[in-house]
Amino acid sequence: DAGITQSPRYKITETGRQVTLMCHQTWSHSYMFWYRQDLGHGLRLIYYSAAADITEKGEVPDGYVVSRSKTENFPLTLESATRSQTSVYFCASKTTSMSSDTQYFGPGTRLTVL
Amino acid sequence: AQKVTQAQTEISVVEKEDVTLDCVYETRDTTYYLFWYKQPPSGELVFLIRRNSFDEQNEISGRYSWNFQKSTSSFNFTITASQVVDSAVYFCALNQAGTALIFGKGTTLSVSS
Repeated sequence: DAGITQSPRYKITETGRQVTLMCHQTWSHSYMFWYRQDLGHGLRLIYYSAAADITEKGEVPDGYVVSRSKTENFPLTLESATRSQTSVYFCASKTTSMSSDTQYFGPGTRLTVL
Repeated sequence: AQKVTQAQTEISVVEKEDVTLDCVYETRDTTYYLFWYKQPPSGELVFLIRRNSFDEQNEISGRYSWNFQKSTSSFNFTITASQVVDSAVYFCALNQAGTALIFGKGTTLSVSS
């Protein structure tokens, strides 16, 4: 199916473990984004990527690592998960850097860190 | 600095009532884009509308309408004759720099029958 997918949809992990959230888009969009959604904060940008092998930090990058070896994939890794990283994570993509371009979001991954 | 404020945290209405969701933004640039997204209880984010800073015409799409006023830096969203299916969290967002969106904290709308 075309679109943007995320896996897993739900994940429970323990403090200190490494966990990777996957994001895959079939539109060949250049730009991809990771946001986290927390009550009282809305959505906040973690990292974004303008193209393969190009990544930039967002508002809340600490504790996260991203990579983009292929245009269609943009995995987000929590190297040593903490309870404060319990959140819903959304991946998004858009065609270009233009402000006018609409970002389209994946279904989200609900992560719980115990 | 860019900022989006949705002052209404929660709104509750009864079906068929009209409801307006407020969005106030801050930006120093003259070129920017504003967006509204809907997040239903199922959790996905659904794009509703995009408006550029040079187009102040109001827009209507069915029961939805948007009022953009640069003079007050507002981009308000009205649902006419609300329905239970309109129950969701609604986010207003700003894009000035061309990359990521700046989101408001969202307004939770509950429509009861």
